[in-house]
Amino acid sequence: RKEVEQDPGPFNVPEGATVAFNCTYSNSASQSFFWYRQDCRKEPKLLMSVYSSGNEDGRFTAQLNRASQYISLLIRDSKLSDSATYLCVVNIHEGYSTLTFGKGTMLLVSP
Amino acid sequence: DGGITQSPKYLFRKEGQNVTLSCEQNLNHDAMYWYRQDPGQGLRLIYYSQIVNDFQKGDIAEGYSVSREKKESFPLTVTSAQKNPTAFYLCASSNGGGGYNEQFFGPGTRLTVL
Repeated sequence: RKEVEQDPGPFNVPEGATVAFNCTYSNSASQSFFWYRQDCRKEPKLLMSVYSSGNEDGRFTAQLNRASQYISLLIRDSKLSDSATYLCVVNIHEGYSTLTFGKGTMLLVSP
Repeated sequence: DGGITQSPKYLFRKEGQNVTLSCEQNLNHDAMYWYRQDPGQGLRLIYYSQIVNDFQKGDIAEGYSVSREKKESFPLTVTSAQKNPTAFYLCASSNGGGGYNEQFFGPGTRLTVL
């Protein structure tokens, strides 16, 4: 299994749609999980942390399934401004002193 | 305003030249990181530092060097030994020295080697 794996997409959805991204990770002992957003030719920015119990921030919901070692991000009522690449981030390596970034899933929201 | 600054935004160099990328943060963060991103690829860790005067190699350290003489500064030198230096370079910092906290990124430097 790759360390942090995401479907590269792109996901093409109309405005108002609900879209879900999944991410799998290789280390069952990992403890920190994040979703970042990266706009074209810009730096990544934190979208939300992912907690064991799941968490929601407005239209965005993150879930963690430790048994299956995957994380999900659900975006409801997609906006044009949601178009970006979404990066799954996990502390994979032993020692947990660094974060490992997935390659990202591209989302394109159309009018 | 607290944040991370990287300079320059765009950098062009001739093959065989060393070049140093600047990264400064005023967030009072202990840990700092350098990543490289190639088109369509994820971020790959070059070097990281959890405390002043100490740093560790990441996954792709060959051809790069760093220093951490001050808490707020973590410059990256791309040496002539780096085979494919053209890339987008991102600096990040985090509160605390481990991989448990979110990382904040600077705006990046696009390096093109001609």
